Amino acid sequence: AQSVAQPEDQVNVAEGNPLTVKCTYSVSGNPYLFWYVQYPNRGLQFLLKYITGDNLVKGSYGFEAEFNKSQTSFHLKKPSALVSDSALYFCAVRDTGGFKTIFGAGTRLFVKA
Amino acid sequence: GAVVSQHPSWVICKSGTSVKIECRSLDFQATTMFWYRQFPKQSLMLMATSNEGSKATYEQGVEKDKFLINHASLTLSTLTVTSAHPEDSSFYICSAAPHRDFVPSTYNEQFFGPGTRLTVL
Repeated sequence: AQSVAQPEDQVNVAEGNPLTVKCTYSVSGNPYLFWYVQYPNRGLQFLLKYITGDNLVKGSYGFEAEFNKSQTSFHLKKPSALVSDSALYFCAVRDTGGFKTIFGAGTRLFVKA
Repeated sequence: GAVVSQHPSWVICKSGTSVKIECRSLDFQATTMFWYRQFPKQSLMLMATSNEGSKATYEQGVEKDKFLINHASLTLSTLTVTSAHPEDSSFYICSAAPHRDFVPSTYNEQFFGPGTRLTVL
């Protein structure tokens, strides 16, 4: 069965500093991996995805994520955090067999000015 | 492109009434739509997957008679919460997976609606 773990409930970072939001996954076969961001009372916004190819994936708003097959991780990163990046971030995984997507518990990011 | 809308964005109803939530893909055809439920400060829980013209597939533990899903066209899916009770209060989010002919680079993606907050008194 596929699963995804976000080990941190909350990440705090100062504006201008690099940020990392961690995600590990478990799936049979090759994974499709996604990061989404959610602002209060809003739906999810797509940030980036890994399907195949380069392990470093660049996405929206300056975010990027690195796929590490040996560590089964897909950590979200940004070189310089903005206060406006404060939101709830979800990692998600899907196996190649269908569309069913499993979401992690979410990590709340606080960026302090 | 790839916009998904939900209506209403919020609804308050009395216990025992039924509430219908619409999910529309505005500029693409969606072969598959998904309904999620999100409790405060929690992740999204998949409730059901619906394909146009066929019955929805419900996740384990989701009452199909309580949460009626209809996917009447390639751009519209509805979720009806029947005989709603306070414990059904939640944030309901739909997503739509585009037909592979829409934009190939978006294949495998889901596009999410803005969500509907349901409060049952």
